Amino acid sequence: LAKTTQPISMDSYEGQEVNITCSHNNIATNDYITWYQQFPSQGPRFIIQGYKTKVTNEVASLFIPADRKSSTLSLPRVSLSDTAVYYCLAKGGANNLFFGTGTRLTVIP
Amino acid sequence: SAVISQKPSRDICQRGTSLTIQCQVDSQVTMMFWYRQQPGQSLTLIATANQGSEATYESGFVIDKFPISRPNLTFSTLTVSNMSPEDSSIYLCSVGRPAEGAFFGQGTRLTVV
Repeated sequence: LAKTTQPISMDSYEGQEVNITCSHNNIATNDYITWYQQFPSQGPRFIIQGYKTKVTNEVASLFIPADRKSSTLSLPRVSLSDTAVYYCLAKGGANNLFFGTGTRLTVIP
Repeated sequence: SAVISQKPSRDICQRGTSLTIQCQVDSQVTMMFWYRQQPGQSLTLIATANQGSEATYESGFVIDKFPISRPNLTFSTLTVSNMSPEDSSIYLCSVGRPAEGAFFGQGTRLTVV
């Protein structure tokens, strides 16, 4: 079971880059790392997914080192609307569908 | 992508009663998932609902308390039975495995009084 560990909360000022790190020491060889964003009163929304090295899309970048035991979600120049909870998932096993505790990001004006 | 509609969006219920939550997807999907999210907490998987078979429940959740129907490939219901205040949570349905890019409904905020 690929349990994930993230910081419980983070604060950042508007315009700064935010990096949220997730550890997943027991990730399986074929498993991907997936990040979700959840705003209050909404279901989680898929942000980005990666297997190794770096993945970038219009929302974020995901950095995964060679050992894959951790990953870092990078949000460039955050705004107030990026205030949300961010979940890291690293599937372990055939049918594990577990969300970790998530990181509550608060963007400050 | 998939668009998921959940009903009701919120409800306040008396203890001892039951509430059925509906989840409609705009495309046919094999598997649908039901989650519970208690206030300030992460998501916990309740069960996986396959069309044409009984739902598969996670540890700590039982069919008598959370019966699920899956009559076709676009629809599912979750019933929260014999409710107590401890059942006050947000209930979410989703399609797709989270590790593969899932889509979630807006959730149903349930308050039991």
